[in-house]
Amino acid sequence: AQSVTQLGSHVSVSEGALVLLRCNYSSSVPPYLFWYVQYPNQGLQLLLKYTSAATLVKGINGFEAEFKKSETSFHLTKPSAHMSDAAEYFCAVSGSHMNYGGSQGNLIFGKGTKLSVKP
Amino acid sequence: DSGVTQTPKHLITATGQRVTLRCSPRSGDLSVYWYQQSLDQGLQFLIQYYNGEERAKGNILERFSAQQFPDLHSELNLSSLELGDSALYFCASSVHGQGLGETQYFGPGTRLLVL
Repeated sequence: AQSVTQLGSHVSVSEGALVLLRCNYSSSVPPYLFWYVQYPNQGLQLLLKYTSAATLVKGINGFEAEFKKSETSFHLTKPSAHMSDAAEYFCAVSGSHMNYGGSQGNLIFGKGTKLSVKP
Repeated sequence: DSGVTQTPKHLITATGQRVTLRCSPRSGDLSVYWYQQSLDQGLQFLIQYYNGEERAKGNILERFSAQQFPDLHSELNLSSLELGDSALYFCASSVHGQGLGETQYFGPGTRLLVL
């Protein structure tokens, strides 16, 4: 079974500071990993995803994440936080086992990390 | 705007009632997923459809059912509602629905409040 653990339900940083949101995964097969962001009263928006092409993945809004197999981690970073980055961030792993004769595509999400940015 | 639409945005109902949530996927996407987001359970996968056929089931209660129609829109039916069913229900869509790193695009959600 696959799972995702996000360390820290709340993270607070100052504007201009480094953002680091932690995600560890568990998977018996090569994982596909995602980071989504949810702004208040909105749906989820994809920030970036890892699909085994490159271990350092760049996403939108200046975010990036590095896949580290040895540490089973996929932490999200941004060098300099902006006020507009305040939101909830979700790490997810894609089911990749076979079901119904084809592979299953549902996402398994972590509990989320709420990012606050102080002026 | 993801291109996925959901109606209604808000729904307030009473225990024991039945409601229907509607989702229209992005143009060209054949697969639809339903997720439930609640404070205690987080984001949980409920069910997936691909081109009208059920493809995968997650933590979906027997009181809940879904279907995908020939025009690819999907409906999630929730019956015998309980207070604990109050949550945000998301629909997402993707092209093939076979995982393998395929991006899922999420709608804005339907917020259900059961009183």
